[in-house]
Amino acid sequence: AAGVIQSPRHLIKEKRETATLKCYPIPRHDTVYWYQQGPGQDPQFLISFYEKMQSDKGSIPDRFSAQQFSDYHSELNMSSLELGDSALYFCASSSRGLFLAGGSHTDTQYFGPGTRLTVL
Amino acid sequence: KNQVEQSPQSLIILEGKNCTLQCNYTVSPFSNLRWYKQDTGRGPVSLTIMTFSENTKSNGRYTATLDADTKQSSLHITASQLSDSASYICVVSFYASGGSYIPTFGRGTSLIVHP
Repeated sequence: AAGVIQSPRHLIKEKRETATLKCYPIPRHDTVYWYQQGPGQDPQFLISFYEKMQSDKGSIPDRFSAQQFSDYHSELNMSSLELGDSALYFCASSSRGLFLAGGSHTDTQYFGPGTRLTVL
Repeated sequence: KNQVEQSPQSLIILEGKNCTLQCNYTVSPFSNLRWYKQDTGRGPVSLTIMTFSENTKSNGRYTATLDADTKQSSLHITASQLSDSASYICVVSFYASGGSYIPTFGRGTSLIVHP
């Protein structure tokens, strides 16, 4: 079965540079979530999108922005990178529409393999 | 503040033995509780998911329990295998205003299975 695809898998950037992470959800999934997991830390929820609209916002810095496109893939744009932005960035997808329509009793999130961002 | 506490922090067992991991939470309003298995450097993989009305859920050798009154959950692993060595994360979600399930992650229990 198709899974969540993230690209790139690894990214190395310098301080103050910009980075763009991409997430391709499972086909027919309409919701995308972004998480940041620092070394030895829990994943932190950043932001989510449902049907191409921002749904909820967590601890996402103002330097970051994200959007979901018409094909449901999502991109996380990170500017003015700092050393502390080095982390594993996970994307997850779910089928919220199916849940809301009563086709599923819960909104299970399926995680991608992550993008490891290193800021030097 | 929404919190998820897991214990023990790490656990070493011999192959073939059983073990139980604990999760206590203060997330409110509660929506669902998931147990994930996460291998180092990889994305979490869902093992079980339980809503408020479910007390137990099994997935092969994994059995999760939920006591919504005491806000406790456990994950029992039967007949452990070397491939069970991983971090097991308890994630409790609440239903947010935008319609998302916003998860609160526990720190995980690091399980090592020795031959």
